[in-house]
Amino acid sequence: GNSVTQMEGPVTLSEEAFLTINCTYTATGYPSLFWYVQYPGEGLQLLLKATKADDKGSNKGFEATYRKETTSFHLEKGSVQVSDSAVYFCALARMDSSYKLIFGSGTRLLVRP
Amino acid sequence: EPEVTQTPSHQVTQMGQEVILRCVPISNHLYFYWYRQILGQKVEFLVSFYNNEISEKSEIFDDQFSVERPDGSNFTLKIRSTKLEDSAMYFCASRGRTTGNQPQHFGDGTRLSIL
Repeated sequence: GNSVTQMEGPVTLSEEAFLTINCTYTATGYPSLFWYVQYPGEGLQLLLKATKADDKGSNKGFEATYRKETTSFHLEKGSVQVSDSAVYFCALARMDSSYKLIFGSGTRLLVRP
Repeated sequence: EPEVTQTPSHQVTQMGQEVILRCVPISNHLYFYWYRQILGQKVEFLVSFYNNEISEKSEIFDDQFSVERPDGSNFTLKIRSTKLEDSAMYFCASRGRTTGNQPQHFGDGTRLSIL
């Protein structure tokens, strides 16, 4: 079946550190891939997306590249800020299944000043 | 920017009671979804809705659950007889119509607490 695996959290970094959150997926065909972010007390916000192999999604300094050969979609940011503290969810969706999102378990990021 | 709105933000209900969670999707969207997130667990798909009917549902979405779009604006999730294990955050989402890979936009969720 389709699934998403994320690295366990929490991830604790100092401000301006480099961030990587690993995400790998299992899916038939060619899913679209997403990163969503959930700030404390809020809903899920789309951070970035990629719809085909080798696409790079980017937003607010975050990037992720759709790697079909390694079935990965790792999230990176060169210099994190305290305001980036949140839970990050990797997700996939396939057009032949109502485009429902299948989420990973989420990774909590804590950035310290 | 248009957004998905959910009400109430927090609902407390006695076990066995019916509860209706309400959502107003983005106005020109045609695909609607409900998800839930039990505390500390991953976000799980419940149901998708298109063209006034359910297009897909998960194993979680049993006979106690139903969805409705009663007036072309609201999208509701009803739980007929709530159980303790229904306590969770429930998220509504909607998606635009242009292409299949348009992302889903989420509301801020309704926290449902069953006592």
